Amino acid sequence: EDKVVQSPLSLVVHEGDTVTLNCSYEVTNFRSLLWYKQEKKAPTFLFMLTSSGIEKKSGRLSSILDKKELFSILNITATQTGDSAVYLCAVPRGNNNDMRFGAGTRLTVKP
Amino acid sequence: DGGITQSPKYLFRKEGQNVTLSCEQNLNHDAMYWYRQDPGQGLRLIYYSQIVNDFQKGDIAEGYSVSREKKESFPLTVTSAQKNPTAFYLCASKRERSTDTQYFGPGTRLTVL
Repeated sequence: EDKVVQSPLSLVVHEGDTVTLNCSYEVTNFRSLLWYKQEKKAPTFLFMLTSSGIEKKSGRLSSILDKKELFSILNITATQTGDSAVYLCAVPRGNNNDMRFGAGTRLTVKP
Repeated sequence: DGGITQSPKYLFRKEGQNVTLSCEQNLNHDAMYWYRQDPGQGLRLIYYSQIVNDFQKGDIAEGYSVSREKKESFPLTVTSAQKNPTAFYLCASKRERSTDTQYFGPGTRLTVL
């Protein structure tokens, strides 16, 4: 059965800290892995990763994929209170064209 | 403005009543999806549609129904057969079959009293 597991489930840090969020997966016919940020309502798209070892970067956020070990990490450097959110990892499944989501990591950044 | 809209934002219903949640997109996306989000469980797929007049069950379709009569619209009906309907419901859409990135609406929080 397809699985996406995120860790930790929750994390509390202080402004300025660096955090690493983890996502491991087991899906058939892997194509890509996506990261979303969910604050109050709609998840907003952050990154899509398809190739191993190639870092995607956007400001203080970066992400990388390891297709051999079947995981991805999302790094946030110099965290700010606005980074507080649930971060979701998702992997499109096989031929169904839908996605399997992890349970999410709830990040709280304290001032 | 292009985007995905869901209405209403909050919905309260009595047990035993059917309720329909609206999802509309003006992005000209082909595929649309309905997810349910419960605390600590991430998003679970209810139904999806890749083309007008066609839709497929997701992982937790029991107690739900959908229609896709127009490309822009994918309403979800939560029926009285759904045992635990109180949840946050998210609609998403995707441009075409060959792309993976889904874009989400703002969600509807349904509370059944």
